[in-house]
Amino acid sequence: DGGITQSPKYLFRKEGQNVTLSCEQNLNHDAMYWYRQDPGQGLRLIYYSQIVNDFQKGDIAEGYSVSREKKESFPLTVTSAQKNPTAFYLCASSSSLAGADTQYFGPGTRLTVL
Amino acid sequence: AQSVTQPDIHITVSEGASLELRCNYSYGATPYLFWYVQSPGQGLQLLLKYFSGDTLVQGIKGFEAEFKRSQSSFNLRKPSVHWSDAAEYFCAGENSGGSNYKLTFGKGTLLTVNP
Repeated sequence: DGGITQSPKYLFRKEGQNVTLSCEQNLNHDAMYWYRQDPGQGLRLIYYSQIVNDFQKGDIAEGYSVSREKKESFPLTVTSAQKNPTAFYLCASSSSLAGADTQYFGPGTRLTVL
Repeated sequence: AQSVTQPDIHITVSEGASLELRCNYSYGATPYLFWYVQSPGQGLQLLLKYFSGDTLVQGIKGFEAEFKRSQSSFNLRKPSVHWSDAAEYFCAGENSGGSNYKLTFGKGTLLTVNP
């Protein structure tokens, strides 16, 4: 089955630690995205990538980093510089960045900082 | 600034009743518009989308939405709600032209269905 997988589903980290969230897609999509979701806040864009080895900051990129070394993978690192990292993180992908191309979402990773 | 607004944070309906979830947008030109649904602890699933043409859009699970340019709205409707429709619903919009990508989400409407 084609789709997007995110791992782990739940993640706990201590303050001051970096943590990496995995996102993999087998839809052969060029574009991939990371969103952060907080209760009552909707989804906010952290980073997006149009093609391999290229990515752009979204609205709330501070304290986060990404890489796009392979088409199917777009890992997100939450660094210790992120002031309030506890949230639900969603990865998405689409054929391209064109607005007509629908974004498909993974199941999400819930990160809790202890 | 471009924005999508969902005026209702929480709506409760009885099973079998009709449903309308409101969405208003603010864009310079007609945007692409989407409705997504999210079950607790899950990702988002696309219900329907509007690009152009017929202003009444049919989606999955018996949902439909109507684009009204004069009201800057894209409300989601369902004639008879099922208990399994309880979830959070997000409206989203994107510029239909230009090279700058930006999908903007509303803050969501939580739907509770009473038996």
